[in-house]
Amino acid sequence: DIQMTQSPSSLSASVGDRVTITCRASQSISSYLNWYQHKPGKAPKLLIFAASSLQSGVPLRFSGSGSGTDFTLTISALQPEDFATYYCQQGFSSPLTFGGGTKVEIK
Amino acid sequence: QVQLQESGPGLVKPSETLSLTCTVSGGSISTFYWGWIRQPPGKGLEWLGHMFYTGTTNYNPSLKSRVSIFVDTAKSQFSLELTSVTAADTAVYYCARFNENLRDAFDIWGQGTLVTVSA
Repeated sequence: DIQMTQSPSSLSASVGDRVTITCRASQSISSYLNWYQHKPGKAPKLLIFAASSLQSGVPLRFSGSGSGTDFTLTISALQPEDFATYYCQQGFSSPLTFGGGTKVEIK
Repeated sequence: QVQLQESGPGLVKPSETLSLTCTVSGGSISTFYWGWIRQPPGKGLEWLGHMFYTGTTNYNPSLKSRVSIFVDTAKSQFSLELTSVTAADTAVYYCARFNENLRDAFDIWGQGTLVTVSA
């Protein structure tokens, strides 16, 4: 199985801050990397697919980069509605696996 | 737009079968793969499996032969069955649309339903 490791597991940030979350795969997954935002009691929301493609309707402050084993999700200027947990997921091979999550909290 | 809604018992006894249904509205079920993901309390997301409307399936080997997914195109529903459940199967269960065109991402999710395994 491909292990997905996210860092940090949590972070505190202020509105307007630039936030970067990393995801590392245990082997190369090309660009088969997707990012989700998850708020308590809500359905997870796809933000980025194929490592860097913005899902329709997602604000431009979200961006993704990387390929192979190392990936990054960046929020250019954190907004109040962005406080949530973020997960990466690899679609390269079965079983599909998710990272452990990064909780973004208000400083 | 396409929406998904999970339904089923919130409490299942140990050793019994967990059964959940996801209703698809606002779009056709006969186009994509449809899957299930769960999140145990305080833990991360775990993919259980997904199925194309024609019957092609892909399951998580960690669940061995306990998991099955079925699609009922006439009702625009797909279902999850997980047999021989234990307390470790307590989780919020999400149904989701699996989109191969988006690098195998889950692009639409239900709100999730909590299933507790307890006597």
